[in-house]
Amino acid sequence: GDSVTQMEGPVTLSEEAFLTINCTYTATGYPSLFWYVQYPGEGLQLLLKATKADDKGSNKGFEATYRKETTSFHLEKGSVQVSDSAVYFCALTIKAAGNKLTFGGGTRVLVKP
Amino acid sequence: EAQVTQNPRYLITVTGKKLTVTCSQNMNHEYMSWYRQDPGLGLRQIYYSMNVEVTDKGDVPEGYKVSRKEKRNFPLILESPSPNQTSLYFCASSAGTGGTEAFFGQGTRLTVV
Repeated sequence: GDSVTQMEGPVTLSEEAFLTINCTYTATGYPSLFWYVQYPGEGLQLLLKATKADDKGSNKGFEATYRKETTSFHLEKGSVQVSDSAVYFCALTIKAAGNKLTFGGGTRVLVKP
Repeated sequence: EAQVTQNPRYLITVTGKKLTVTCSQNMNHEYMSWYRQDPGLGLRQIYYSMNVEVTDKGDVPEGYKVSRKEKRNFPLILESPSPNQTSLYFCASSAGTGGTEAFFGQGTRLTVV
């Protein structure tokens, strides 16, 4: 079946550091890929997405590129802020499976001043 | 404002006492689903609905029921809750299939004692 694997946290960084969260996937079809973010006490919000190979999603200084050859969708940000402290989820959907999201386990990121 | 509203936010109940968690969306979305979030496991789909009166099992449906009598509402029913259903629950809705964004409620933290 479909699955998403992302690096376990927690990841602790200092403000202005570079952030990378690795995400790889296996899928039976051609997936769309997403990063969702969960701030403390809140639901998930879409951070960025990419729907075909080589697409780059970007938002709020975060980027991720859909790499079909390595089945990866790594999240990066060049200079993190304390407000980026959250849990980040990599996820995929397959069109044939409707809008079911398959999630990775989540990565908690803590940014210290 | 586009939103998905879940109630209650927090619930403590005893084993075997039936409960319902409500979910409502104001975006006229066809697709709705329920997920549970457990540490290290990410979010797993419980049930989903592709339209009124159309529901189907997700990955972890045991012990849960749903109904979709109106497009905007998708309640989650636990007929006889057990401690292993202690979890954080999220309702989500989306407009289409494949690469469309899912909107999440703020979550319901359920504790079954």
